[in-house]
Amino acid sequence: EAGVAQSPRYKIIEKRQSVAFWCNPISGHATLYWYQQILGQGPKLLIQFQNNGVVDDSQLPKDRFSAERLKGVDSTLKIQPAKLEDSAVYLCASSLESSGRTETQYFGPGTRLLVL
Amino acid sequence: AQSVTQPDIHITVSEGASLELRCNYSYGATPYLFWYVQSPGQGLQLLLKYFSGDTLVQGIKGFEAEFKRSQSSFNLRKPSVHWSDAAEYFCAVDTGGGNKLTFGTGTQLKVEL
Repeated sequence: EAGVAQSPRYKIIEKRQSVAFWCNPISGHATLYWYQQILGQGPKLLIQFQNNGVVDDSQLPKDRFSAERLKGVDSTLKIQPAKLEDSAVYLCASSLESSGRTETQYFGPGTRLLVL
Repeated sequence: AQSVTQPDIHITVSEGASLELRCNYSYGATPYLFWYVQSPGQGLQLLLKYFSGDTLVQGIKGFEAEFKRSQSSFNLRKPSVHWSDAAEYFCAVDTGGGNKLTFGTGTQLKVEL
């Protein structure tokens, strides 16, 4: 079974530029998550999708971050404009449909972003 | 709000020695508990999880963890560490049953040969 795929693996941009990350979850997983992991910290949930609907985006900085999952499968996370403090690893995870239950989340390898 | 504390930022053990990584959580009821491992440049891999039932849970790679309600702890253990276990270990909790994980800050494990 293929795991969660993410691209690119690494990205270097200058502040105020825009960047986008792509995630393809495990086949059949209805729930998709984006996490931000700053160096020395644990991952922090940015946004959670159930199929193509947003379940929780309370910690997403909406003035500069956006995410979509148009067909309920792949997802993109965008930052525009980027700030220095956005340097982090962006992790995508997926799980079976939660519907209020706790399901195991499976993580992709992450995209490491450096903002100069 | 729920929180997760991993009091040890770095731990160094000799290969073959036993290991215990500490995790404490703050929540009124019994949460769902997880341990993940992250190798350099990799995503997080699930080691084990506790939802209910037997408080001693077995995971992959020879790891186990014990849920202790009275201490609000979920410590990870391994009887004999291998050099390949060197990685960062994260404890996480889901208190709402809605798959919203709160992670600790992680413990970096170094294994001396």
